Amino acid sequence: QQQVKQSPQSLIVQKGGISIINCAYENTAFDYFPWYQQFPGKGPALLIAIRPDVSEKKEGRFTISFNKSAKQFSLHIMDSQPGDSATYFCAASRTGNQFYFGTGTSLTVIP
Amino acid sequence: DVKVTQSSRYLVKRTGEKVFLECVQDMDHENMFWYRQDPGLGLRLIYFSYDVKMKEKGDIPEGYSVSREKKERFSLILESASTNQTSMYLCATPSPSGFGQFFGPGTRLTVL
Repeated sequence: QQQVKQSPQSLIVQKGGISIINCAYENTAFDYFPWYQQFPGKGPALLIAIRPDVSEKKEGRFTISFNKSAKQFSLHIMDSQPGDSATYFCAASRTGNQFYFGTGTSLTVIP
Repeated sequence: DVKVTQSSRYLVKRTGEKVFLECVQDMDHENMFWYRQDPGLGLRLIYFSYDVKMKEKGDIPEGYSVSREKKERFSLILESASTNQTSMYLCATPSPSGFGQFFGPGTRLTVL
């Protein structure tokens, strides 16, 4: 069974718009929630991550929003650019243990 | 610069062949992981190793085995390749920052 559920499967956004990708989890023992960005032909690369003691983390144009009570977290990409076109994965883990990944979102930013 | 390298970027094999995928890391880390990535299924853990000669099954170990004879090298073995093992295979170690995982470039395996 999928430990982390991710939506949407694909997303098309205009340049300058906001891209939003959502994830939900069940295991309340998870304490680390990273997002990965993957370009074609490359392995996933860590983009940004959050721990459940904060509700939001921002790095440049990328923001994670975390809702502990709803067991949901989301990635917001502000002022989306064509160079942001990639596949994005959310993940969750309990420190020192296995990572569980979402099914991925293919983002296309059109000029 | 941190590196996780995988022996091949692309590989084409025949059904029934024995296939070796190799991963080498230069971070001197105890933990190494093998995932497969399939459209609509995300990344799924096949096996991981937390020390030399130690291994643990992940979520989908059937049809695979692993070998870790040296700390820096972790091999994934398909004993008898089947078409349903056509996939992207990714090796990873814990990130040097201590957060998340650091992935290799992947091997795209096609089994005919």
